[in-house]
Amino acid sequence: EAQVTQNPRYLITVTGKKLTVTCSQNMNHEYMSWYRQDPGLGLRQIYYSMNVEVTDKGDVPEGYKVSRKEKRNFPLILESPSPNQTSLYFCASSPTVNEKLFFGSGTQLSVL
Amino acid sequence: AQKVTQAQTEISVVEKEDVTLDCVYETRDTTYYLFWYKQPPSGELVFLIRRNSFDEQNEISGRYSWNFQKSTSSFNFTITASQVVDSAVYFCALIINSGTYKYIFGTGTRLKVLA
Repeated sequence: EAQVTQNPRYLITVTGKKLTVTCSQNMNHEYMSWYRQDPGLGLRQIYYSMNVEVTDKGDVPEGYKVSRKEKRNFPLILESPSPNQTSLYFCASSPTVNEKLFFGSGTQLSVL
Repeated sequence: AQKVTQAQTEISVVEKEDVTLDCVYETRDTTYYLFWYKQPPSGELVFLIRRNSFDEQNEISGRYSWNFQKSTSSFNFTITASQVVDSAVYFCALIINSGTYKYIFGTGTRLKVLA
């Protein structure tokens, strides 16, 4: 089944403890991206990747890192999480840029 | 800079009413793409439609229709004869096709359809 898989689904952590949210797609998509969803703010793009080893900042990249070493994987790394990074995170992919996005199920992150 | 505005934060309608969700966008680029996504209460994000800047034809898909007007920079979404299952948050999004490939989403409109 074609899908975007995010893990974990829920995560509670403490300030400063490094964490990684994984994202994997099995559709050979070139474009992958991360978003955070906050009440009243909608979806905001954190980072995107056009292809392997090609990444760029979205609108809210501060405090996040990404890497794209393989086409299928696009992990989101929080080196030192802070409470203002408590949010619902979505990973998404599309065959190329400008095509419809396929979203993962989301990761609810709480930073205490 | 690009921007997407969904001025309607929340709309409530009674089942079978028609409802229009507004989306106004800003961009100086001539080539861009507009999207609508639906987020039902279960939380997943579902693609509804994609439209490029050179295609101003309106589109109808069952009870859903979209009106794209470049003159007013709007891409509005109408649900005809709404149903309870239409209750969701709806997002409009924009991506331009030059240099940067960032997606810009609106803040979303929560639609409540009451039985």
